[in-house]
Amino acid sequence: AQKITQTQPGMFVQEKEAVTLDCTYDTSDPSYGLFWYKQPSSGEMIFLIYQGSYDQQNATEGRYSLNFQKARKSANLVISASQLGDSAMYFCAMSTIQGAQKLVFGQGTRLTINP
Amino acid sequence: GAVVSQHPSWVICKSGTSVKIECRSLDFQATTMFWYRQFPKQSLMLMATSNEGSKATYEQGVEKDKFLINHASLTLSTLTVTSAHPEDSSFYICSAYSGTSTDTQYFGPGTRLTVL
Repeated sequence: AQKITQTQPGMFVQEKEAVTLDCTYDTSDPSYGLFWYKQPSSGEMIFLIYQGSYDQQNATEGRYSLNFQKARKSANLVISASQLGDSAMYFCAMSTIQGAQKLVFGQGTRLTINP
Repeated sequence: GAVVSQHPSWVICKSGTSVKIECRSLDFQATTMFWYRQFPKQSLMLMATSNEGSKATYEQGVEKDKFLINHASLTLSTLTVTSAHPEDSSFYICSAYSGTSTDTQYFGPGTRLTVL
């Protein structure tokens, strides 16, 4: 069975600093996708970044990058130059072919950016 | 691109009534849509997978007769909560699978259901 673990319930960071949100995963499927979503207080799930299990390079999308360490089964999200608007819940998720593309979510990390 | 809408955004109903929630992919065709439920301060829990033109696949523990799902077209899936009770009060959110190589799911804005 697939499992996603986010060990940081809450993170507090000063504005303009970089922040790393941890995510580890477990799966026996050799092909899988890793995702990060942001959920502000409005409730909408906003797609941030994707990493495929066979991708050689770490994914990047603007200020977001995914630190993919396959051997350690980790997929940490790095946000550079944090902004007040980055305050939200962040969810790491995984999909596998074996799981019929269904997303398995971690418990989330609440990120608070302080001015 | 990849916009998913959901309607209504919030609804309050009396116990025993039924509520229909619509999920639409606005700028792409979605052969597969997913319905999730989220309790306060918790993660998303997958309820069912909705495939266009076929019956939905429900996750273990989800009552299919209570949560009716219809995926009538490539851009529309509906979730009907039948005979709603206060314990059904929750945040319901849908996603649409874009079918791209990245297998990304795009989410609707969610529907907050309160059953009195």
